[in-house]
Amino acid sequence: AQKITQTQPGMFVQEKEAVTLDCTYDTSDPSYGLFWYKQPSSGEMIFLIYQGSYDQQNATEGRYSLNFQKARKSANLVISASQLGDSAMYFCAMREGKGAQKLVFGQGTRLTINP
Amino acid sequence: GAGVSQSPSNKVTEKGKDVELRCDPISGHTALYWYRQRLGQGLEFLIYFQGNSAPDKSGLPSDRFSAERTGESVSTLTIQRTQQEDSAVYLCASSLNWGTYNEQFFGPGTRLTVL
Repeated sequence: AQKITQTQPGMFVQEKEAVTLDCTYDTSDPSYGLFWYKQPSSGEMIFLIYQGSYDQQNATEGRYSLNFQKARKSANLVISASQLGDSAMYFCAMREGKGAQKLVFGQGTRLTINP
Repeated sequence: GAGVSQSPSNKVTEKGKDVELRCDPISGHTALYWYRQRLGQGLEFLIYFQGNSAPDKSGLPSDRFSAERTGESVSTLTIQRTQQEDSAVYLCASSLNWGTYNEQFFGPGTRLTVL
């Protein structure tokens, strides 16, 4: 079974609109962390936001927020007021357990922001 | 400050040859990870080093793949008798083993092409 599922291969959004990128996960470990990374066409992986399984509040970082619904095992990324520079691949990833552990990545969503 | 560096940035080799890929992690990061990203795909975990513990090799796809790490510094990923299916971008990441996020910082990757 897939541990991380991103169901949207591609998304097209008008500049300045908000966009939600979906991510569902599967784990039986009560302690886990969820990450979102951005990968522009240059190929670098840029960390955006983190949500821990025990966090009571949804994570926010500037224009990025994470809609964490633990019972549904979903961790959707919300980008507000999208910009042309947001066009990139976006990956959801999960770390099971505490501390430094490997990440399991989804297949990614390619986001295109139209002017 | 210095981030994760990888060399070479590009490697073209002939089928059957051996290749070595190098990763220099961020100074002080005890954890080091290797991932593989095939074209248009998400990242696949290969191997993970944490301090003096035995490495987690559970992601290595075959015995042609091996990796070493010297203490808490440089790591090399070796692919023996390369096959065309090994063509991918090989990404290295490093992280601390404490703190809230244990965010992984990624290098720019090595693009391997096997002819």
